[in-house]
Amino acid sequence: DTAVSQTPKYLVTQMGNDKSIKCEQNLGHDTMYWYKQDSKKFLKIMFSYNNKELIINETVPNRFSPKSPDKAHLNLHINSLELGDSAVYFCASSQGTRRETQYFGPGTRLLVL
Amino acid sequence: QKEVEQDPGPLSVPEGAIVSLNCTYSNSAFQYFMWYRQYSRKGPELLMYTYSSGNKEDGRFTAQVDKSSKYISLFIRDSQPSDSATYLCAMSESHLSRSASKIIFGSGTRLSIRP
Repeated sequence: DTAVSQTPKYLVTQMGNDKSIKCEQNLGHDTMYWYKQDSKKFLKIMFSYNNKELIINETVPNRFSPKSPDKAHLNLHINSLELGDSAVYFCASSQGTRRETQYFGPGTRLLVL
Repeated sequence: QKEVEQDPGPLSVPEGAIVSLNCTYSNSAFQYFMWYRQYSRKGPELLMYTYSSGNKEDGRFTAQVDKSSKYISLFIRDSQPSDSATYLCAMSESHLSRSASKIIFGSGTRLSIRP
């Protein structure tokens, strides 16, 4: 039974399009995160939600908008996709804000052409 | 200078060898140190978590932190082919339960254990 799941796993799209990535966790956690891992494998946090409230919002273009409809879901919508958005996007969750015990999803590989 | 530096490898060792993975960092305010393992096409999973300087052992894994040298290590004893993965170091200034604390990741070292 998958703890943190993401859809889609792969996303290939054209520049300028708008796309969404969905994340769901069945661990009963109340904090969820979005990370971006670039081609050089650097993993950087983008957003964090605790009980549906935004608590971390890194310097991310406002084309990226997270949405948390409930504690078990955190979606990421990206407007006007650019080539530089190509990366692997990981969703994660933790109990409270204990980030050291966060569980990561399998990642969504986004390629912008 | 990057905040966290990690040799990308690849590092290839024979099964049973002792593996040493390392990271250096520049921010002396880092106090919390982690090692994650990431298999190909999977998300990272936490292996070890330590606070401040010292050693921590968990089975075949030992994490070592030397804050005076700004250097952390992960040792894997009796390495197995199943240990083949990318290992990411990570660190944070403040306790990870504080809402605004950030984790800074290294770029990862790709490790391959030859049977």
